[in-house]
Amino acid sequence: GENVEQHPSTLSVQEGDSAVIKCTYSDSASNYFPWYKQELGKRPQLIIDIRSNVGEKKDQRIAVTLNKTAKHFSLHITETQPEDSAVYFCAAIPYSGAGSYQLTFGKGTKLSVIP
Amino acid sequence: EAGVAQSPRYKIIEKRQSVAFWCNPISGHATLYWYQQILGQGPKLLIQFQNNGVVDDSQLPKDRFSAERLKGVDSTLKIQPAKLEDSAVYLCASSSRGGGAGDTQYFGPGTRLTVL
Repeated sequence: GENVEQHPSTLSVQEGDSAVIKCTYSDSASNYFPWYKQELGKRPQLIIDIRSNVGEKKDQRIAVTLNKTAKHFSLHITETQPEDSAVYFCAAIPYSGAGSYQLTFGKGTKLSVIP
Repeated sequence: EAGVAQSPRYKIIEKRQSVAFWCNPISGHATLYWYQQILGQGPKLLIQFQNNGVVDDSQLPKDRFSAERLKGVDSTLKIQPAKLEDSAVYLCASSSRGGGAGDTQYFGPGTRLTVL
């Protein structure tokens, strides 16, 4: 099955600086890579996603890049703000057969933005 | 639109007891998922339903966990008997299609289970 590794596990940045979170995946059949943000005690929420036929996608201060050859993808947050503080999860979806798309998550990165 | 609803939000039980969780997905969503999130880890898929049929339950510990989705809408997840290692947040999610690329999964608030 798919295995997703995520680094770093914790990240502290000064407000206004950039933050980068990196993930690698093992299954070359994976073709969809969403990123979720989970604030303390709350539900995971999708913030951005990328498909395997695209190398980069941006949405305001958030961008995701994908390198299929190396099987890694990254989340970039620019001009960080205190409200960006949360745990961020990367995930990958391969097709497992018979209609099963098993979303496999990384272990998460706790981002702290220091005012 | 209303989000995914779950109840209860918190549950504390003794080991070997039974517990059940309920999930109401977003209206019209065909696919429903149950995840287990242990503290400090990412969610792990337990079971995926497409309408009222099971698509994937390969990671469900079937000796103690069971789930059903009657009439293709609400779902219940049961643990019987519970073990200490079942302490986790149980998340329900739903998506409008059958999963896969671009089919966003929307998560509920979760049920935090503590097994003593």
